[in-house]
Amino acid sequence: EPEVTQTPSHQVTQMGQEVILRCVPISNHLYFYWYRQILGQKVEFLVSFYNNEISEKSEIFDDQFSVERPDGSNFTLKIRSTKLEDSAMYFCASSVPGQGSSYEQYFGPGTRLTVT
Amino acid sequence: DQQVKQNSPSLSVQEGRISILNCDYTNSMFDYFLWYKKYPAEGPTFLISISSIKDKNEDGRFTVFLNKSAKHLSLHIVPSQPGDSAVYFCAAILASTDKLIFGTGTRLQVFP
Repeated sequence: EPEVTQTPSHQVTQMGQEVILRCVPISNHLYFYWYRQILGQKVEFLVSFYNNEISEKSEIFDDQFSVERPDGSNFTLKIRSTKLEDSAMYFCASSVPGQGSSYEQYFGPGTRLTVT
Repeated sequence: DQQVKQNSPSLSVQEGRISILNCDYTNSMFDYFLWYKKYPAEGPTFLISISSIKDKNEDGRFTVFLNKSAKHLSLHIVPSQPGDSAVYFCAAILASTDKLIFGTGTRLQVFP
């Protein structure tokens, strides 16, 4: 069964450093997403991406964040200058809107980002 | 942002019995509701969804009920199995947006 994959599974970085989190969405999916979950809190939407551009972003997704689909398979989230409060589990998801009209999104296993 | 709430942080059920997980929401404009299951160190896994124009959807052991007047939905698992032990998230979405809005989750433990 096709699945969303994410690398690395765990990333440790120092405050102020840039990190890139990588995702390979399900191959025939058209919409791509990033969510994050700070320990003990809700899963929160960050950004959605369709047709090579951001379609929606949350207040969390400020100028320090960017997304890119550099080729036909990868989808990346970049944090330019990490802060302690960026420490969280980051989930990539993908979907095929309209298929079954159920809006289901399929999530990867996540990348645990630890900023020290 | 408290648009989707799961007021029970945990639930313990005996194997073979029914598990009922509850979710409340405040935005009457939500178009779809979804349930996800999450094991430790894994991403959320889609379980079942329901359109706002329906009041019930069933898939095997899983049934979701929607009560729009009460802004409440529930997930029933019958019969519960030890492998169902996980955190269950309720989520909602507006068709005009891309984002799922999640509840805080309920940890279900099914014991033998």
